[in-house]
Amino acid sequence: AQSVTQLDSHVSVSEGTPVLLRCNYSSSYSPSLFWYVQHPNKGLQLLLKYTSAATLVKGINGFEAEFKKSETSFHLTKPSAHMSDAAEYFCVVPKAAGNKLTFGGGTRVLVKP
Amino acid sequence: NAGVTQTPKFRILKIGQSMTLQCAQDMNHNYMYWYRQDPGMGLKLIYYSVGAGITDKGEVPNGYNVSRSTTEDFPLRLELAAPSQTSVYFCASSRTRQDLTGELFFGEGSRLTVL
Repeated sequence: AQSVTQLDSHVSVSEGTPVLLRCNYSSSYSPSLFWYVQHPNKGLQLLLKYTSAATLVKGINGFEAEFKKSETSFHLTKPSAHMSDAAEYFCVVPKAAGNKLTFGGGTRVLVKP
Repeated sequence: NAGVTQTPKFRILKIGQSMTLQCAQDMNHNYMYWYRQDPGMGLKLIYYSVGAGITDKGEVPNGYNVSRSTTEDFPLRLELAAPSQTSVYFCASSRTRQDLTGELFFGEGSRLTVL
């Protein structure tokens, strides 16, 4: 069964420093993978997606993620955090059957000035 | 361009009461979804629809009902509210199947408390 594990429930960074959000997946095949962002009191927004093309995927707001099949990982990074990056981030993988997704538990990012 | 609109944003219910969460989208998307979000649990799919007149159960459908009489609207009905239904509910839509592109458009959520 397809599943994702977000290794950190909370991440705290200083403004201007790099951000790393870790996601490991479990799948019997090479899946599609997505990252979503949720700002406070808002709905989720697609940040980026991997669909078996380039393994390094660039998204909105300067974020990128690298698909590593050997490590079953899809970590999200940003070189320099901005205050507006304070949000919750979700790693998402499609389920094997049907029109369904599996969401990770989320990583809440705090950006300190 | 409103996108996905949910009402109400907040609601407090007593145990046993019923209510309907409204959802409307103006993007002419065939696919619509209802999710609930509980702390630390990610999102769980309640019901989804692939077009007007067609609905199907998701992972956690018990205690809920939906209908899809038009492309635009996808209301979620809670019958006999229970404290376990205290959650934030999100409606979403997509142009294609969510598992193919992952591109869902979400409303801003409806926060429901059952006391």
